[in-house]
Amino acid sequence: NFMLTQPHSVSESPGKTVTISCTRSSGSIASNYVQWYQQRPGSSPTTVIYEDNQRPSGVPDRFSGSIDSSSNSASLTISGLKTEDEADYYCQSYDSSNLSWVFGGGTKLTVL
Amino acid sequence: QVQLVESGGGVVQPGGSLRLSCAASGFTFSSYGMHWVRQAPGKGLEWVAFIRYDGSNKYYADSVKGRFTISRDNSKNTLYLQMNSLRAEDTAVYYCAKVTKTYRDDYWFDPWGQGTLVTVSS
Repeated sequence: NFMLTQPHSVSESPGKTVTISCTRSSGSIASNYVQWYQQRPGSSPTTVIYEDNQRPSGVPDRFSGSIDSSSNSASLTISGLKTEDEADYYCQSYDSSNLSWVFGGGTKLTVL
Repeated sequence: QVQLVESGGGVVQPGGSLRLSCAASGFTFSSYGMHWVRQAPGKGLEWVAFIRYDGSNKYYADSVKGRFTISRDNSKNTLYLQMNSLRAEDTAVYYCAKVTKTYRDDYWFDPWGQGTLVTVSS
């Protein structure tokens, strides 16, 4: 089984750019797609990035995703930060060896 | 539009049982795998269980294996989670979520329901 490790929290000012990392503990980050879910307080999660770097329709292009094999990690980058981006963000991937779905611990983004 | 509505949550004593339901609409339910994901109060997301579109395969997190059973009734467009031998650490909001691609297990989850709260307490 692998784990996905995220920073507990990040903060940045409106208009700036922030990057949230998600590091896979074992096996290659490129082995299975990584998704990113946004969860605003009191709401259900919604997808902001799927298949490493794809944006669902309706998600602004301020959100982008990438993977880096050298650090075995995925990243979510949000540019032009808005106060409405303040939320918890979770990375997620599929563990094909153990037939299970893995979430990172979540990162609380504060925009202040 | 796709809609998932969970129900069945409530307060139950340790060792008790509860059955959650997830009513699906707006898509061909029988063509999609479905998940249960939970979130303990103030904590992160934890995958709980998956069932294939036709119910032929079911997978569970180690934390619930042997105690929880996922099932579906494609004639009623409904997903279920039977939870037995409940523990305090099972206290969480339980979400159902749809796999985004037909007849596939490994695709991403979207959308999610609004969740139903299960509280295990004496």
